[in-house]
Amino acid sequence: DTAVSQTPKYLVTQMGNDKSIKCEQNLGHDTMYWYKQDSKKFLKIMFSYNNKELIINETVPNRFSPKSPDKAHLNLHINSLELGDSAVYFCASSQEGLAFYNEQFFGPGTRLTVL
Amino acid sequence: QKEVEQNSGPLSVPEGAIASLNCTYSDRGSQSFFWYRQYSGKSPELIMFIYSNGDKEDGRFTAQLNKASQYVSLLIRDSQPSDSATYLCAVNAPGAGSYQLTFGKGTKLSVIP
Repeated sequence: DTAVSQTPKYLVTQMGNDKSIKCEQNLGHDTMYWYKQDSKKFLKIMFSYNNKELIINETVPNRFSPKSPDKAHLNLHINSLELGDSAVYFCASSQEGLAFYNEQFFGPGTRLTVL
Repeated sequence: QKEVEQNSGPLSVPEGAIASLNCTYSDRGSQSFFWYRQYSGKSPELIMFIYSNGDKEDGRFTAQLNKASQYVSLLIRDSQPSDSATYLCAVNAPGAGSYQLTFGKGTKLSVIP
């Protein structure tokens, strides 16, 4: 009955590799997000995506690309991994259309370590 | 550039005391304000939200909002060791196509038994 799930929970890889993180939500929400939390615990939005629109945070390198096969899934693909990509990546979802209140539900996170 | 500022702490309070967590934000267009709690190694979870000036109480938690001063706070009464966590302030402002949350860097709270 997990609301927002992510796989894998841990990901250790070498520089230069390409990897993907998967996210699924069973809440029926129509908006999903990817956040990056660095070693200092700063949680920063990377992307938000709903049926209508992908919002790209322009500070995110284009090596990062979100892919949404349907509204319950939002995967994150990362090309040419760099040391600075090491962080915890959180997926979240919310129900758009509730005006200014959109509680976001977070997945358990994926800890990415780039060696 | 939307900014949300929090004192990173750590903030240490004795068990049973009131913990006061503060947050300021830069975007006057911000409409709603959230407090998330994050235990070490876990994901953030929502504990309070507020969108009107004044106080909002939920159990031991009280959120306070002052839009004129661009200030939001969280009070935790009768603090318990289980309240020890990082508290993230988040601000919701209309953005391009979606309402997005901007998070502060969090305040680490330690409740001492």
